[in-house]
Amino acid sequence: GAVVSQHPSWVICKSGTSVKIECRSLDFQATTMFWYRQFPKQSLMLMATSNEGSKATYEQGVEKDKFLINHASLTLSTLTVTSAHPEDSSFYICSARDGEETQYFGPGTRLLVL
Amino acid sequence: AQSVTQLGSHVSVSEGALVLLRCNYSSSVPPYLFWYVQYPNQGLQLLLKYTSAATLVKGINGFEAEFKKSETSFHLTKPSAHMSDAAEYFCAVSHSGYSTLTFGKGTMLLVSP
Repeated sequence: GAVVSQHPSWVICKSGTSVKIECRSLDFQATTMFWYRQFPKQSLMLMATSNEGSKATYEQGVEKDKFLINHASLTLSTLTVTSAHPEDSSFYICSARDGEETQYFGPGTRLLVL
Repeated sequence: AQSVTQLGSHVSVSEGALVLLRCNYSSSVPPYLFWYVQYPNQGLQLLLKYTSAATLVKGINGFEAEFKKSETSFHLTKPSAHMSDAAEYFCAVSHSGYSTLTFGKGTMLLVSP
């Protein structure tokens, strides 16, 4: 149980385009999902907390207009990187919190912006 | 504020040897503590968690961790390392199960034959 999926697993796009990443909790409902960014050989940095049916809460320094988050259902949250630039290239990981207060992580999405 | 310090960015052990990965935390309230493992190009997998119950917590794959309040530590151990244990390990702390996680910088475990 407690499986979280992400799609796509990797994406390459041109600078200036937008990219949408999906995060799904497959076997449980998650009122709260989280989006993290991980640079090579570094730890995870929390970008935002996504609550179903309400606006996401962004961490300091994260541009909410650039990283659009939508949490339309209890099993799906999406992160859209708008007008992507090479510096947005990174590994993006989502997590979903279950009813027992534990976060379960997706497999990650590697984004490369050319 | 809460924080996590993982001593040693890399730990090397021989197959069959004891694994000890250190984690110290700072928290103004009783913490929830977690250990996650990350294999290359993958997400994080929960190994075990401490949520104010038993101080010795057993997790998956033979790992366990002991919460020591006096030492503000939550070190991860495994009696005998396997080659498949080679991965990056992250310790994390939160104020409660409903607050955000703060991660340590991670420790890469290397296992040699």
